[in-house]
Amino acid sequence: EAGVAQSPRYKIIEKRQSVAFWCNPISGHATLYWYQQILGQGPKLLIQFQNNGVVDDSQLPKDRFSAERLKGVDSTLKIQPAKLEDSAVYLCASSLVSSNTGELFFGEGSRLTVL
Amino acid sequence: AQSVTQLGSHVSVSEGALVLLRCNYSSSVPPYLFWYVQYPNQGLQLLLKYTTGATLVKGINGFEAEFKKSETSFHLTKPSAHMSDAAEYFCAVRQTGANNLFFGTGTRLTVIP
Repeated sequence: EAGVAQSPRYKIIEKRQSVAFWCNPISGHATLYWYQQILGQGPKLLIQFQNNGVVDDSQLPKDRFSAERLKGVDSTLKIQPAKLEDSAVYLCASSLVSSNTGELFFGEGSRLTVL
Repeated sequence: AQSVTQLGSHVSVSEGALVLLRCNYSSSVPPYLFWYVQYPNQGLQLLLKYTTGATLVKGINGFEAEFKKSETSFHLTKPSAHMSDAAEYFCAVRQTGANNLFFGTGTRLTVIP
């Protein structure tokens, strides 16, 4: 079974530029999450989708971050314009059901460096 | 509000020694608890989880954790460390009825030959 796929793995941009990350969850997983992991910290949830609807985006900085999951499968996370403090690893995860006990399966992450 | 505290951002043990990684949670009701491992340049992988039932939970790679409600703890242990255990370990909590998974700040485990 293929895991969660993310691209690009690494991205370096200058501040005020834009960047987009792509995620393809495990086939059949209805729930998709984007987490931000800043160096030395644990992952923090940015947004959660159930199929193509947003379940929780309370921690998403909406003035610069946006995410979509148009067909309920792939998802993209965009940052525009980027700030220095956006340097982090962006992790995508998926789960079979939106359940408290359901395991989240994580991709390898996309590492963003903002100069 | 719920939170997770991992004591010790770095832990070093000798190969073959006991591994003990500490996790305490703050929650008004018993939550669901998880341990994830992250190897360099990889995503997070579930080691084990506690939801209900037996408080001693066994996971992959010989790890186990015990849920102690009275101490609000969920410490991760392994009797004998292997070199391959070197990684970052995250404790996480999920409140019943909630969508979010709250992670601790992580503990980096180094195994000394």
